[in-house]
Amino acid sequence: AQKITQTQPGMFVQEKEAVTLDCTYDTSDPSYGLFWYKQPSSGEMIFLIYQGSYDQQNATEGRYSLNFQKARKSANLVISASQLGDSAMYFCAMRENRDDKIIFGKGTRLHILP
Amino acid sequence: DSGVTQTPKHLITATGQRVTLRCSPRSGDLSVYWYQQSLDQGLQFLIQYYNGEERAKGNILERFSAQQFPDLHSELNLSSLELGDSALYFCASSVGVVPTYEQYFGPGTRLTVT
Repeated sequence: AQKITQTQPGMFVQEKEAVTLDCTYDTSDPSYGLFWYKQPSSGEMIFLIYQGSYDQQNATEGRYSLNFQKARKSANLVISASQLGDSAMYFCAMRENRDDKIIFGKGTRLHILP
Repeated sequence: DSGVTQTPKHLITATGQRVTLRCSPRSGDLSVYWYQQSLDQGLQFLIQYYNGEERAKGNILERFSAQQFPDLHSELNLSSLELGDSALYFCASSVGVVPTYEQYFGPGTRLTVT
């Protein structure tokens, strides 16, 4: 069974609009971490944001925030005021603390339109 | 520039051969992670080392091995190469044993097996 599901293979969004990229996960480990990464067309991987399963507040990093809904096992990435440079592939990932493995979703390709 | 270096940038080799990929983490980072990105398998976590010791193991094949040296650089050895091993191999580093904060990725090594 897939542990990380990103249901949007591709998205087109107008510049300056907010974007929500969906991610749901499946785990029985009560202690885990959730990550988002960005991969532009140039190929490099960029770490964006982290949320721990016991964190009370949603993680934020600049224009990025993670909408963590633990009961729904959802960890959506929200990008506020999107920019052309946000066009990239975005990966959601989870690390279960019982074995420290990191599991990735298949990614969402985001296109920001001028 | 993330501060993580990987060599070589590109590698072309034949089936059955053995190659070594090298990674130097950011100064001060004790953890090194290896990832494989291919069209078939997507993004996969291979292995993590922390301060010279293996910390976590993902979907790393038995034909692959890694180590982290006292100076904290790491090498990923791939042997008996198959066509399906063609992929982009990323190395990343972080300060702590659990990547709760920034992970810094290298530019990757593109391996082509012919």
